[in-house]
Amino acid sequence: NFLLAQPHSVSESPGKTITISCTRSSGSIASNYVQWYQQRPGSSPTTVIYQDNQRPSGVPDRFSASIDSSSNSASLTISGLKTEDEADYYCQSYDSNNQKVLFGGGTKLTVL
Amino acid sequence: EMHLVESGGGLVQPGGSLRLSCAASGFSFEDYAMNWVRQAPGKGLEWVSSINWNSDVTVYADSVKGRVTISRDNAKNSLYLQMSSLRTEDTALYYCTKEVSDLYCSDGSCQPRKGFDVWGQGTMVTVSS
Repeated sequence: NFLLAQPHSVSESPGKTITISCTRSSGSIASNYVQWYQQRPGSSPTTVIYQDNQRPSGVPDRFSASIDSSSNSASLTISGLKTEDEADYYCQSYDSNNQKVLFGGGTKLTVL
Repeated sequence: EMHLVESGGGLVQPGGSLRLSCAASGFSFEDYAMNWVRQAPGKGLEWVSSINWNSDVTVYADSVKGRVTISRDNAKNSLYLQMSSLRTEDTALYYCTKEVSDLYCSDGSCQPRKGFDVWGQGTMVTVSS
């Protein structure tokens, strides 16, 4: 299995743009879809991005994501930050060799 | 609206057993792969197990393999997790999740999986003496 590495925490001011990275330790980041989940304090996770860059209905277009093969990483970008975006964000992918599901360690976003 | 409601959690002694359930509504349950994901107190998300639509394909995390069994009853729109030989490190909030599509495998290879799009509220399992 590979690992998905995320920064432990990031912070930015309201209205600004933040990018959270998710780096795959081995194998190509592009070989399996990457997802992003948001977990606000005290709540269940919700999906903000699936299939690399697709937003579920109801997720604002302030949330976007991309894959960068050169750095073997995925990125979640949140523009026009709002205080309600303050949450833990987890990236997730799959190991196609055994169909196991892998999560990154999570990134705590503080909007201050 | 799609909903997942977990139940069955509780306090159990080390070595004990527990069966978690997840009731699905608002979508065609039999068309999708399903998963269990857990979160220990103050920790991150950890995948536990996946199952495809007709239970032909089941996958387990190494941390639980041999101790848990995932199953589903499409007629009852329900997903289950039978847990045995429970350890203190199994203490966590257990979430049921729906995948964006089914886990379709044939001749040893599987179609790309696209992530989870629905999460339940979780059921707490506490393993303690």
